[in-house]
Amino acid sequence: DTEVTQTPKHLVMGMTNKKSLKCEQHMGHRAMYWYKQKAKKPPELMFVYSYEKLSINESVPSRFSPECPNSSLLNLHLHALQPEDSALYLCASSQRSKRPLSNYGYTFGSGTRLTVV
Amino acid sequence: GNSVTQMEGPVTLSEEAFLTINCTYTATGYPSLFWYVQYPGEGLQLLLKATKADDKGSNKGFEATYRKETTSFHLEKGSVQVSDSAVYFCALSDVITQGGSEKLVFGKGTKLTVNP
Repeated sequence: DTEVTQTPKHLVMGMTNKKSLKCEQHMGHRAMYWYKQKAKKPPELMFVYSYEKLSINESVPSRFSPECPNSSLLNLHLHALQPEDSALYLCASSQRSKRPLSNYGYTFGSGTRLTVV
Repeated sequence: GNSVTQMEGPVTLSEEAFLTINCTYTATGYPSLFWYVQYPGEGLQLLLKATKADDKGSNKGFEATYRKETTSFHLEKGSVQVSDSAVYFCALSDVITQGGSEKLVFGKGTKLTVNP
């Protein structure tokens, strides 16, 4: 299995809703990432988990709450989002998060397209 | 931190034309360089990579050479196909913590459209 699987593929939520995005990989990768991609923009890093521990939070608002229940799963819990949070949310994994990243590379999922209304 | 400057698109070519997408970078140290491709409605796929100066990455007819003297990593393909239509991102690795954790820093992306 060489894939990163993200669910759901599409999500529409109201500003008062609570929802979760899920990401799963079975490649034995020990680093997992959340990226946010706005339309016609490059992906921007949100969080890095290394060995199931949060190692990087790129100053993301608290309405986004990541969780890594085990080495194969990564969740992103969403609460009280704003319309400007509408974007494609990409999950990625790599064998590890530390240099040299190049030796390991990232595998990206297909993303969850989130619309906040 | 490190940064990537990528040629603005969109780029429109006819099938079998030659493709060049320019990418230059600013970096301290010796980052690794990548090209990712994003097809409509999909996530990113690694197209090719180079880890040190003068390395050439290649895949599916695409090539890019890590040029330290010009800080460049231009993407080329000799003969594009309609199926190559996508957004192409140049990226480099950037150290973000003292412990050595890295992240990818992306250019703004170049949309390529290939017409039959």
